[in-house]
Amino acid sequence: EAGVAQSPRYKIIEKRQSVAFWCNPISGHATLYWYQQILGQGPKLLIQFQNNGVVDDSQLPKDRFSAERLKGVDSTLKIQPAKLEDSAVYLCASSLGLAGGLGTDTQYFGPGTRLTVL
Amino acid sequence: AQKVTQAQTEISVVEKEDVTLDCVYETRDTTYYLFWYKQPPSGELVFLIRRNSFDEQNEISGRYSWNFQKSTSSFNFTITASQVVDSAVYFCALTASYNTDKLIFGTGTRLQVFP
Repeated sequence: EAGVAQSPRYKIIEKRQSVAFWCNPISGHATLYWYQQILGQGPKLLIQFQNNGVVDDSQLPKDRFSAERLKGVDSTLKIQPAKLEDSAVYLCASSLGLAGGLGTDTQYFGPGTRLTVL
Repeated sequence: AQKVTQAQTEISVVEKEDVTLDCVYETRDTTYYLFWYKQPPSGELVFLIRRNSFDEQNEISGRYSWNFQKSTSSFNFTITASQVVDSAVYFCALTASYNTDKLIFGTGTRLQVFP
């Protein structure tokens, strides 16, 4: 079974530029998550989707970050404009979502996108 | 508020040594889940184990074992006879509340196993 796919794996941009990341979850997984992992820290949840609806985006900096999950499968995360402090690894994860976001499904992670903002 | 503490920033061992990674958590919920993930240099977080708050039985999977003690709010991870391939950053995580999948991660412990 294919795992969570993400692209690109690496991205280098200058501050104030825009960038987008793509994620394809494990087939059949209803729940999709985007995490930000700053160097030396644990991942921090940015946004959680259940199918194509948002369950939790309380930690998403909405003035510059946006995410969508059209058709409840693939998802894109965008940063516009980027700041130096956005340099991090952006991880996508998915889970079965059987409990509709009210349970404890195990999350499976992709390889991440390493973003460097100069 | 929920919190996960991994006090060991980095551990170095020689191959075949046993090593224990500590995890202490804080939560007011009576129902919660704890996880361990491994992050090798490739960057992907690999799921290792999930344990619910009502199951305090220790678990063993090959060279890996986990000790869950609610009395001390700890969920420690032991690798027996460590191997070079075990070198990675290990994260402990806790569900943010009983009715969500949201995970609160610790800061991770970097394990280096030398041949």
